[in-house]
Parts: sequence; structure tokens; C-alpha cells
Amino acid sequence: GDSVTQMEGPVTLSEEAFLTINCTYTATGYPSLFWYVQYPGEGLQLLLKATKADDKGSNKGFEATYRKETTSFHLEKGSVQVSDSAVYFCALSGRQAGTALIFGKGTTLSVSS
Amino acid sequence: DTGVSQNPRHKITKRGQNVTFRCDPISEHNRLYWYRQTLGQGPEFLTYFQNEAQLEKSRLLSDRFSAERPKGSFSTLEIQRTEQGDSAMYLCASSLGPRTDTQYFGPGTRLTVL
Repeated sequence: GDSVTQMEGPVTLSEEAFLTINCTYTATGYPSLFWYVQYPGEGLQLLLKATKADDKGSNKGFEATYRKETTSFHLEKGSVQVSDSAVYFCALSGRQAGTALIFGKGTTLSVSS
Repeated sequence: DTGVSQNPRHKITKRGQNVTFRCDPISEHNRLYWYRQTLGQGPEFLTYFQNEAQLEKSRLLSDRFSAERPKGSFSTLEIQRTEQGDSAMYLCASSLGPRTDTQYFGPGTRLTVL
């Protein structure tokens, strides 16, 4: 069935460092891909999404490109801030999943000043 | 737009008791989803409504679980005869329309079964 695999954390970075969180997926057909973020004590928030191959989603300095050839949707940010400390979830919405989102296990990011 | 709200935020119960959670979606959203999230895992899909119709249920949704969405507005999720394995965060999300539309999540209800 459809699935999402993302890199295990925690990821610990210094402020202004470059961030990459890897995400790969397995799906039938052409899923839509999402990154959600969960800040401490808060609910899940959509960070960015891409609905077709080669689309780039971007928001708040974060970017991810839908790569069908490598079945990947890696999250990147050029310069992280302490306020980016959170748990990041990669997710897909695919035909096999119906309308439900299938999430990865999440990657905890901790940024220190 | 006040977002998706869930009540209660926390629930502690004893094994064998019944519990009910409520979700109020964003007002114009006709799709409503329930997910369960355990520690260190991503959310897992439980069930989905379009308006008042329950269109999809996960195999995770055992016979002890039931969900309703009367009149296509708020939804309730009931767990009967709770077990310790039911301890988790229960998340509700809503979306406006088609499959690729954004799902907006509520803050969740954390259930602890003693």
C-alpha cells in the first residue's frame, strides 16, 4: 500500500544552518504531497504542498520539490531559526489512500542559538 | 474563521469506560476526518465524512469505535469499553473539497486510559 518514509530524528542544528529533511514515498498513481509542522503544544499546520510532478511548494523559507523519478519530496531551508524547532511530518494523499492523508513518522528539529 | 476545535483537550478514564470526543470543523468545510496519533508516530487515518455520510473507515477502527456527523456539522467519536492501547492523541481535520485540498487540523484530544 501507499507509504511515506522520512528521515529519523532528532535533527539538531545551530541557527542559520542549512536544513534538509528527507522524505520518500511509495504510491500508486500520482499522489499529492505535503509537509505539515507541529510546534510544541500546538496542532498540525500545513507548511507546504505540491500536487504534481516537478511542482515546488514553498512557505516561510521552506521549500520542497515533487520528484517523481526519485519518489521524493525533501524539505529544505537555507537558514534555520530557533523558532523553526518543531516536529515535521511528510504526508501524501493518493488514490489508494482515498482521501486520507498518509503520514511519515515525523522528524524532530531542534535549533539552538 | 475560528479553525477546527476539539473538546475535551484532555481525557483521563479508567479501562472499560466509554468516552466521547467532539470535533467542530471550519464552518464551510464539508469533509471531516478523524486520525489517531501515538507517541513518536505520525497520525493514522481512522474515518472520514463527507457532509453527514461516513464514506471511509480504516481497519484501525474496531467495533468499539463509532463516529457520527449528524446534519453534516460537528462530529463525535465514541470509544466503548476503552483499553489501555486506546491511549493516544485523537485528531480531527476538515477540508473544503476535493482529494487534494488542504486538511486543517484541530489541536487534538489526548486520551489516557488507566
